[in-house]
Amino acid sequence: GNSVTQMEGPVTLSEEAFLTINCTYTATGYPSLFWYVQYPGEGLQLLLKATKADDKGSNKGFEATYRKETTSFHLEKGSVQVSDSAVYFCALSDRMMRFGAGTRLTVKP
Amino acid sequence: DGGITQSPKYLFRKEGQNVTLSCEQNLNHDAMYWYRQDPGQGLRLIYYSQIVNDFQKGDIAEGYSVSREKKESFPLTVTSAQKNPTAFYLCASSRGVWDSAYEQYFGPGTRLTVT
Repeated sequence: GNSVTQMEGPVTLSEEAFLTINCTYTATGYPSLFWYVQYPGEGLQLLLKATKADDKGSNKGFEATYRKETTSFHLEKGSVQVSDSAVYFCALSDRMMRFGAGTRLTVKP
Repeated sequence: DGGITQSPKYLFRKEGQNVTLSCEQNLNHDAMYWYRQDPGQGLRLIYYSQIVNDFQKGDIAEGYSVSREKKESFPLTVTSAQKNPTAFYLCASSRGVWDSAYEQYFGPGTRLTVT
């Protein structure tokens, strides 16, 4: 079945460091790919999405490119801030949404 | 503002009691979902509904029940048959399940503790 594997955390970075959180997927067909963010004690918020191969989703300085050849959708940000500390979820949708286990990011001043 | 509300934010119950979690949306979405989140884990789908008066089991439906009598509302009942009910419960909605591009919108969650 369809599934998503994302890099295990936790990830700890200093402010202004470069961020990469790896996400790979297994799917039949042509799924859409998403990154969601969850702040402590809250629900998930959509961060960005891509619906077809080679699409790049971007929002708030975060980017991810839908790579069909490597079945990946890695999340990147050039310079993280303390306010980016949260749990990030990669997800795949082929009508039903499948979530990765989440990666906790902590950014220190 | 359009969105999803869940109440209450924290809920405490004794073992053996049924408890109902509320979820309301004003986004005019057809599809609604219930997920369970345990510490350090991703989201697991409990039930979903594509349309009023219709719902389908997800991956972990045992010990849970739902209803969808109105488009805006999708309450979840955690029954005494659920062996490990303590968890964070998230409700979500989307325009539909027929298009993979439709993102899901989430409520703030209800943390249920059963002792």
